[in-house]
Amino acid sequence: NAGVMQNPRHLVRRRGQEARLRCSPMKGHSHVYWYRQLPEEGLKFMVYLQKENIIDESGMPKERFSAEFPKEGPSILRIQQVVRGDSAAYFCASSPTSYTGELFFGEGSRLTVL
Amino acid sequence: SQQGEEDPQALSIQEGENATMNCSYKTSINNLQWYRQNSGRGLVHLILIRSNEREKHSGRLRVTLDTSKKSSSLLITASRAADTASYFCATDASGSRLTFGEGTQLTVNP
Repeated sequence: NAGVMQNPRHLVRRRGQEARLRCSPMKGHSHVYWYRQLPEEGLKFMVYLQKENIIDESGMPKERFSAEFPKEGPSILRIQQVVRGDSAAYFCASSPTSYTGELFFGEGSRLTVL
Repeated sequence: SQQGEEDPQALSIQEGENATMNCSYKTSINNLQWYRQNSGRGLVHLILIRSNEREKHSGRLRVTLDTSKKSSSLLITASRAADTASYFCATDASGSRLTFGEGTQLTVNP
């Protein structure tokens, strides 16, 4: 039973480029959460999605960031025109229901902006 | 201050000793959870305690919850070098999502 799969694990971009991070939830999970973690810090909530719907995007920066979870395929976190401050680890987590019980995390995607 | 603050920020102990980490939060919760993160890895769920529970055990882990003080503690007994990791508490006070604290970095020296 595969866990939450994130790719790429490491991504290097130059300022102004686009970054696309993908997340496939655990089998049977239809709820996906994206978190960002800066070095030596905790996780900061970004967005919560269900299939084809954004439920809570209160943690997403208003510009350059977007997320989707299509009916088919992985969830995508997209960062346009990246800046050095976007350098961080981005974690995806999934759950089978909307109740805030246990979250299952992927190994993260580490974005470095040069 | 943010919802879910761990204390201490860092803890260094010897193998075999017990490790205690604390978490404070600000608003009412339905449950509180503890997660572990090894360096460079994702978070792994350890234990969930509901607001109507006061104590819960899982193997060498013991979690307490005091809703009157809005605090929780995680005790790891007979620690091992493999317990070295960051430990985070998380609360569901924000409704549809978990809010994580800044974490406690535990180092267990062999």
